[in-house]
Order: sequence, then structure tokens, then C-alpha cells
Amino acid sequence: EAGVTQFPSHSVIEKGQTVTLRCDPISGHDNLYWYRRVMGKEIKFLLHFVKESKQDESGMPNNRFLAERTGGTYSTLKVQPAELEDSGVYFCASSWTAYEQYFGPGTRLTVT
Amino acid sequence: AQSVTQPDIHITVSEGASLELRCNYSYGATPYLFWYVQSPGQGLQLLLKYFSGDTLVQGIKGFEAEFKRSQSSFNLRKPSVHWSDAAEYFCAVLSGGYNKLIFGAGTRLAVHP
Repeated sequence: EAGVTQFPSHSVIEKGQTVTLRCDPISGHDNLYWYRRVMGKEIKFLLHFVKESKQDESGMPNNRFLAERTGGTYSTLKVQPAELEDSGVYFCASSWTAYEQYFGPGTRLTVT
Repeated sequence: AQSVTQPDIHITVSEGASLELRCNYSYGATPYLFWYVQSPGQGLQLLLKYFSGDTLVQGIKGFEAEFKRSQSSFNLRKPSVHWSDAAEYFCAVLSGGYNKLIFGAGTRLAVHP
């Protein structure tokens, strides 16, 4: 069974540019989560999808971040325009229930 | 507010030595607790979890953790560390809404030969 995949693995962009991160969950997992780790701090929750619906987006830092989940399958997280403080590692996770979330390898975003 | 504290940022042990990584949580009810490991270039892998019942839980790769309610702790242990255990370890608690994980800052483990 394929795990959670994320693309790209690493992205380097300039301040003000746009970046789109993609996450493909484990097949059949209705729950999809985005987390991020900034500057070696705690991994923090961004948002939670159930199928294509946003269940909880309380962790989204501001309106420069937009997440979508097309047809309840893969998800994208767009940052527009990117700022320096957006640099970090963005993790995606998926699950049947919240009790066991499976994480992808993460996308390392560097904003210069 | 719910939170997780991992007091040790870096730990270095010799191969074959025992290991204990500390985790303290703040949570009003019975917590659902997790330990994850991130090896270099890899994603987060679930080592073990505690929901209820026996307070000593066994995980993968020879790890175990003990839930101590009186101390609000969920420390991770391994009797004999292997060089391949060098990684970053994260303790987490499931939020009150049962939908998101709240992580500690992580403990980076180095293993000397």
C-alpha cells in the first residue's frame, strides 16, 4: 500500500512569489491534515479536511494560505504571496480516524 | 490550553546504552498520546500510542513508553540503542476535538559508536 506522498520535496522561491504544495493521501482515507514546522519549532496543525470539506482550518496563519481538496482525493496548499516567515517544512497526513494519522515525508519550503 | 513539553532538545547516547526521552503534557481529560520518529529524509513514523488500559505500551523498533497520569508524563524508552535510532523524536497529544495532533518541540537523538 502506498503511503502519503508529497510534492515537491523541496521548493525554493523568492519573497512575493506563489508556491503550491501537493499531497496525495493514502487511498480511501477521508481525513487529510496539513501541518507545518517553522524554524525547528513545534510541528503545528494548519487544517483538516474530511473528504472535500474543510472541517477545521483554525491553524491557517492568514489569508495568504489557501488549501483545497479536489473530489476528496489529493490536496493542494497554495501560499500567495510567500513571505520569509513561511519557510519551513509542510507535512501532510491522512487517516481513517484521527487516532492514527499517517504522515508524508514533508515539503521543505525556503523563501528567500 | 493543551500542550506538550519535551525538555531535552538534544540527547547523545552511546550505541548499546539505554535511552529515555521525556515528554510531559497538559490536558484536562484522559489524553490520547503518541510518539513519532523522523529519520533523516523521511516522514514522521508512528512509534506507539496510548489511548487507555495498560499504562506501559509497546511500539515498533523495540521502543516502549509509560503513561503516568500523576506526573502528566509519557516517556519513551529503549533498553539498548542502535546507531539507526539516530533521529528526531516527537511526542504528541490528540486535541480535545479529536482531530489534530499537538506536538512537542522534538528531541534530536545522536548515537555514538
